[in-house]
Amino acid sequence: DAKTTQPNSMESNEEEPVHLPCNHSTISGTDYIHWYRQLPSQGPEYVIHGLTSNVNNRMASLAIAEDRKSSTLILHRATLRDAAVYYCTPMEYGNKLVFGAGTILRVKS
Amino acid sequence: NAGVTQTPKFQVLKTGQSMTLQCAQDMNHEYMSWYRQDPGMGLRLIHYSVGAGITDQGEVPNGYNVSRSTTEDFPLRLLSAAPSQTSVYFCASSSPGTPTRHYTFGSGTRLTVV
Repeated sequence: DAKTTQPNSMESNEEEPVHLPCNHSTISGTDYIHWYRQLPSQGPEYVIHGLTSNVNNRMASLAIAEDRKSSTLILHRATLRDAAVYYCTPMEYGNKLVFGAGTILRVKS
Repeated sequence: NAGVTQTPKFQVLKTGQSMTLQCAQDMNHEYMSWYRQDPGMGLRLIHYSVGAGITDQGEVPNGYNVSRSTTEDFPLRLLSAAPSQTSVYFCASSSPGTPTRHYTFGSGTRLTVV
């Protein structure tokens, strides 16, 4: 299983952009990079995924380094509802999903 | 669609008791997984299944059994509950095939073993 490294915690002000980094230097060439988040007292929810190109959806953007050894989840305008634990995880072709410790995002009003 | 449904939401067990955590999904997903999350910790994979009749162990399988007789259901059995199994348990499901298929999670079962 590919290993991931994320900061333990980050803090942001409301309405400001947030860049959440993830290192996945052991990722294989066919693994997609998935991001999930877990709001307090809830199950994880899917945020975004990508392979090589940068990706955008209604929740966030994903910037993937050219060598694919790292990626950055971008929340363009953080709100209090974005306070959560954010996990990046490589998705292997067998679709087994293994989580690391994640980053606790705190959003200040 | 109900998505992934877990029952019960809360359960208290005595040490040594057995019980089954239920997980059902109505999305016709082939892939299903069980995770546990201890207080203040990340999620750890217990068992997973890639289809009916096929299961495999994850990171922390000891003390748990699973079976997959139908596509919809993936129950997790605690054989003899121990205080170390106090945790929140999440079930998740996904479509098979490409790694672009993301997982949908249930709302969890909070289990306390006393």
